[in-house]
Amino acid sequence: DSGVTQTPKHLITATGQRVTLRCSPRSGDLSVYWYQQSLDQGLQFLIHYYNGEERAKGNILERFSAQQFPDLHSELNLSSLELGDSALYFCASSQGVALYTDTQYFGPGTRLTVL
Amino acid sequence: SQQGEEDPQALSIQEGENATMNCSYKTSINNLQWYRQNSGRGLVHLILIRSNEREKHSGRLRVTLDTSKKSSSLLITASRAADTASYFCATTGEAQKLVFGQGTRLTINP
Repeated sequence: DSGVTQTPKHLITATGQRVTLRCSPRSGDLSVYWYQQSLDQGLQFLIHYYNGEERAKGNILERFSAQQFPDLHSELNLSSLELGDSALYFCASSQGVALYTDTQYFGPGTRLTVL
Repeated sequence: SQQGEEDPQALSIQEGENATMNCSYKTSINNLQWYRQNSGRGLVHLILIRSNEREKHSGRLRVTLDTSKKSSSLLITASRAADTASYFCATTGEAQKLVFGQGTRLTINP
């Protein structure tokens, strides 16, 4: 158990819908990262927040948005869902902001299925 | 797009044998990390090697890094059934992102 929690574990929805994925980082961690894992694209970095502020953006679609709240939990919002958005979405957390020294701890993921 | 490429894509060995996986990357890096993922579950951090390091050990794991060849290898010695998983290398560079390879699927046969 990494100490990172994600809810829900599974989500099934229809095309065009909007969903929110939630992540609680490990106690004391200020950074939260979101990743998407799909069969065709592999593991893709989406976005990084540190202490409430966006620090880096990856291959995140405009239909997706995220935020980190004052209590440090984070939410990833996916809207106008398409079949291709079906994937495992992982959240990870780390203590600081320096990727070259910080270990990231991954949550168990949310499996999103878009029908 | 992914930077790292693992080789082989799949590896099947007998319990007790050593498993070697390789990772190649394209751009300069600050560090390289290896992660393990059991089927459909979260990733577990195994080891981090900095760009100025050449070799690192952690238990039965040995990681090497050759920045001149832009490659790394992960050696798991005396493999166990519980080592069955997918293994990913991930690099961090100037872009401050963790970029993953496509992974090696390792199967340990009893």
